[in-house]
Amino acid sequence: EAQVTQNPRYLITVTGKKLTVTCSQNMNHEYMSWYRQDPGLGLRQIYYSMNVEVTDKGDVPEGYKVSRKEKRNFPLILESPSPNQTSLYFCASSPVTGLYEQYFGPGTRLTVT
Amino acid sequence: AQSVTQPDIHITVSEGASLELRCNYSYGATPYLFWYVQSPGQGLQLLLKYFSGDTLVQGIKGFEAEFKRSQSSFNLRKPSVHWSDAAEYFCAVGINAGGTSYGKLTFGQGTILTVHP
Repeated sequence: EAQVTQNPRYLITVTGKKLTVTCSQNMNHEYMSWYRQDPGLGLRQIYYSMNVEVTDKGDVPEGYKVSRKEKRNFPLILESPSPNQTSLYFCASSPVTGLYEQYFGPGTRLTVT
Repeated sequence: AQSVTQPDIHITVSEGASLELRCNYSYGATPYLFWYVQSPGQGLQLLLKYFSGDTLVQGIKGFEAEFKRSQSSFNLRKPSVHWSDAAEYFCAVGINAGGTSYGKLTFGQGTILTVHP
């Protein structure tokens, strides 16, 4: 089944403890992206990747890192999480670029205390 | 930088009634426009998109949207709403400025649709 998977689905952590949210797609898509969703703010793009080793900042990249060493994986790294990073995170992928249909993962709900 | 505004945070309609969700964008050139839907507890699904050509775009689930350059709008419509349409709807704009800009997508704040029986 074609899908985007994220792990973990739920995570509660403490301020400053490094964490990684994994994202994997099995559709051989070139494009992948991370978003955070907050009430009243919609989805805001954190980082995106046009292909392996090609990443760029979205609208809210501060406090996040990403890497794209393999086509299928696009992990989101929070080196020192803070409470303002408590949010619902979505990973998405697309065959070519973000300007085509994006396929979204199920989301990861992160709480930083 | 591009931006998207969805003026209505929450809309309530009766089942069978018509629906229009508003979306206004700000971008200097012709944008790439999208409507996505998010059912409760789910990720987003693409309803329709506009790149160029005919300004009235048909999508899935009976939805359509019209691009109006003069009003910088891309409103979503459906002639008769079903209870299963209750969800949150997001308008989004992409830019076409070359290089990695093709990856940048800006979403609106979302409109929650409630459908009364």
